[in-house]
Amino acid sequence: KAGVTQTPRYLIKTRGQQVTLSCSPISGHRSVSWYQQTPGQGLQFLFEYFSETQRNKGNFPGRFSGRQFSNSRSEMNVSTLELGDSALYLCASSSGQTGRRNTIYFGEGSWLTVV
Amino acid sequence: DAKTTQPPSMDCAEGRAANLPCNHSTISGNEYVYWYRQIHSQGPQYIIHGLKNNETNEMASLIITEDRKSSTLILPHATLRDTAVYYCIESAYSGAGSYQLTFGKGTKLSVIP
Repeated sequence: KAGVTQTPRYLIKTRGQQVTLSCSPISGHRSVSWYQQTPGQGLQFLFEYFSETQRNKGNFPGRFSGRQFSNSRSEMNVSTLELGDSALYLCASSSGQTGRRNTIYFGEGSWLTVV
Repeated sequence: DAKTTQPPSMDCAEGRAANLPCNHSTISGNEYVYWYRQIHSQGPQYIIHGLKNNETNEMASLIITEDRKSSTLILPHATLRDTAVYYCIESAYSGAGSYQLTFGKGTKLSVIP
């Protein structure tokens, strides 16, 4: 069974630009979450989507947004990039169901460098 | 902020059991304890999770105290490839199946030859 797939793996952007990252969850998983990892702040929750609806949101500015498609694939977008947005962006997928079947699996991440 | 407390680092001899402790004294009744590990520059790898009973899988065992205020992850025979940062996480249940993982700084486990 294929794992969580994220593209692109590495990218470099300039301040002020925008970026879109893509995530394909494990087949059958309907929940997709996004996390940001930086050396200073560690791993922080951005948002979660389930059945094309944002179900949960972390404490990030409105420049960070996302969406989920009917096939459960998800994209996140960061507009007006700042140097501090340089980070590893991780996508995680799960069944989205309650209870112990809700194992959460992460992808390998997308490394974003803002210059 | 993370609600779990872990030692910042630990060493373990290769072939011996690695016992990684975690305190989660504020955990509520419907929150699971998850363990992940992260090898440098890779995504976190799921290890195991549990609610109140001890759990075992092909990677590790999870021992949760009866009061659920602490747990121990056991890697029975540590190898050099187990060198990683190990995260103990409470999952914050936000309702309707939504779980949010709040990561702390984890424990850097170094397996020594």
